Amino acid sequence: EVQLLESGGNLVQPGGSLRLSCAASGFTFSSYAMSWVRQAPGKGLEWVSTIVSGGTTYFAASVEGRFTISRDNSKNTLYLQMNSLRAEDTAEYYCARSAVAAAGTGPFDYWGQGTLVTISS
Amino acid sequence: EIVLTQSPATLSLSPGESVTLSCRASQSVISYLAWYQHKPGQAPRLLVYDAFNRATGIPARFSGSGSGTDFTLTISSLEPEDFAVYYCQQRRSWPITFGQGTRLEIK
Repeated sequence: EVQLLESGGNLVQPGGSLRLSCAASGFTFSSYAMSWVRQAPGKGLEWVSTIVSGGTTYFAASVEGRFTISRDNSKNTLYLQMNSLRAEDTAEYYCARSAVAAAGTGPFDYWGQGTLVTISS
Repeated sequence: EIVLTQSPATLSLSPGESVTLSCRASQSVISYLAWYQHKPGQAPRLLVYDAFNRATGIPARFSGSGSGTDFTLTISSLEPEDFAVYYCQQRRSWPITFGQGTRLEIK
């Protein structure tokens, strides 16, 4: 059974840093693209970042230069390092797996339950 | 960036009714369009991918159609558990984008 378990969410002051983790199990982690998607309070889903199996990374413009995505295939874990945090980064952060696709990265077929990040002084 | 516009924003319907949700893209996404269901406190769930393919375990009452810039998700005979927020999402080009969502409420 595919499982994704996020952790690391917390209350942080503006300008601070935080690292989220996503522990994966039930599939060959190294073979899949993995992503972070967030939902701010009262808002819709927003894609944040993706790392493909080969290591190439992609970021939303709103987090480019502040966030870093990485993976440790030996630990089956995905990370999101968030620096220079802003109030608008407050959100539930979901880890999601991309299905295998013939072209590009596939749709998000499995999601974690989310971890809450709150940026406030 | 490809902008996805969903309509309507909110729908109020009764169980047993059928509904069609719309998603329009600002430029062609070919067929790289997915639909998700999201309930409060739960993980989003993939319903349909690549415009019309139902994801594993999704009931047949959910169906997707469309190509290019116009897509629909139809739910025939709503069940009580179908009341949620629905999002479309494109993977045609970076950045990946989602629509703003359609909230399906019980009348």
